[in-house]
Amino acid sequence: ELKVEQNPLFLSMQEGKNYTIYCNYSTTSDRLYWYRQDPGKSLESLFVLLSNGAVKQEGRLMASLDTKARLSTLHITAAVHDLSATYFCAVDDSYGGSQGNLIFGKGTKLSVKP
Amino acid sequence: GAVVSQHPSWVICKSGTSVKIECRSLDFQATTMFWYRQFPKQSLMLMATSNEGSKATYEQGVEKDKFLINHASLTLSTLTVTSAHPEDSSFYICSASDQGRDWRGYTFGSGTRLTVV
Repeated sequence: ELKVEQNPLFLSMQEGKNYTIYCNYSTTSDRLYWYRQDPGKSLESLFVLLSNGAVKQEGRLMASLDTKARLSTLHITAAVHDLSATYFCAVDDSYGGSQGNLIFGKGTKLSVKP
Repeated sequence: GAVVSQHPSWVICKSGTSVKIECRSLDFQATTMFWYRQFPKQSLMLMATSNEGSKATYEQGVEKDKFLINHASLTLSTLTVTSAHPEDSSFYICSASDQGRDWRGYTFGSGTRLTVV
C-alpha cells in the first residue's frame, strides 16, 4: 500500500526566509504532484514531476524529485505573505504509465508572517 | 489548459434527502474521473473512481449504495449522496486528466461544500 508522508505539517515562517517541505513515499512511483489549497478552495496545481532528478521552478517555489530516495522537496525562497496556504504533495499509485489514483500527504499549512 | 467544472459550489440539505453533484470536463474528454472527500483540516481521501460506460470503483469503506456515481458520457460524472446525514457533511472534489495531451497531471474541480442539517 502506497503511503505518503509530508513534513512538517505546520510551518510558520517570516517573510524573506527560506524553507523546505519534504514529501516521502513508500513504494515505486514515477509521478509526483504538488498542489496548493487556499482556505475554502479547491486544489491548484503547482508542479508535475515525472522523472528522477526532475526540478521545476515557478516564482519563489522550486520542486524536485528523487525517485531512488522516494523523496520530493518543495523549496520556498524569500517567502512572502501571499504564499500562505496549505501545500499538498500527491503520488500517483500507478507505475509505468497507466493512469492511477492519487495518494495525498497530510498537507503542510504554511503561514508567512511579516 | 484542461478545465473541470463542478457544481454546485455549496449545498445545504436536510437529513434524509439526496444531493447530486456534477463534474464536467469542459475542453477534453475524460474516460476516468475521481471523486475525493475532504474533512475540515484534513487531507483528501479518494472515494471512488468513475469510469465512463461502466461501474465505478469504490475505495474500501465507501458505501456504494450511499454514494451513487454515474459517468454516462465522456464529459460528465455525477455523485449522488443518498439519504444524507450530518456525518456526510464534507468538501467533495472531483478530478480528471486530459489523456489526449502531453501529460499535465490531474485537474481538480472547484469543490462542493455539503452541509447536512
